[in-house]
Amino acid sequence: KQEVTQIPAALSVPEGENLVLNCSFTDSAIYNLQWFRQDPGKGLTSLLLIQSSQREQTSGRLNASLDKSSGRSTLYIAASQPGDSATYLCAVSWSGGGADGLTFGKGTHLIIQP
Amino acid sequence: GAGVSQSPSNKVTEKGKDVELRCDPISGHTALYWYRQRLGQGLEFLIYFQGNSAPDKSGLPSDRFSAERTGESVSTLTIQRTQQEDSAVYLCASSSLGTQYFGPGTRLLVL
Repeated sequence: KQEVTQIPAALSVPEGENLVLNCSFTDSAIYNLQWFRQDPGKGLTSLLLIQSSQREQTSGRLNASLDKSSGRSTLYIAASQPGDSATYLCAVSWSGGGADGLTFGKGTHLIIQP
Repeated sequence: GAGVSQSPSNKVTEKGKDVELRCDPISGHTALYWYRQRLGQGLEFLIYFQGNSAPDKSGLPSDRFSAERTGESVSTLTIQRTQQEDSAVYLCASSSLGTQYFGPGTRLLVL
């Protein structure tokens, strides 16, 4: 069964710290991997998309890496800010055609303390 | 430009009633997805539309669920004879170049 797991489930850190969120997946034959943030009562916001042929993607203070052989991705957040507080979701597509949609982890609930 | 929109934003219904949820994708996006997020659970994929191809309905939880899409525009997700277990946030996404863009969701509560 293809599954996505995120660790930790929750994380609370002081403002300004760098932090790493972890995502693992059971089948290394992925098509792409996407990181999202979800704010309470709102939809998902796409942060970064990594294709299977890529090793990392960067956007501002965010950097996502992908290691297919070990079935892992990490989301690195530099110089964290209170506005980064949200739930971060990792999602994997194993089919480029989209027939299976995205498989999501349960997320990491992040709190940045001012 | 407008993002993915969904209506209603909230819906409260009585057990046994039918509900219809609507999704307006981003213009030009040929792919459209429906997901469900139950309280405390991860997102669960329901169904996917690509252009005019027939959708794969195997992800729908039961035969009470159905979905339609008119061409490459609006989609509706219908739940017949709702049950309390159907209470969840229903999210719609449309896709371009592999990135999925999500709407704000419809929060459904079945009493």
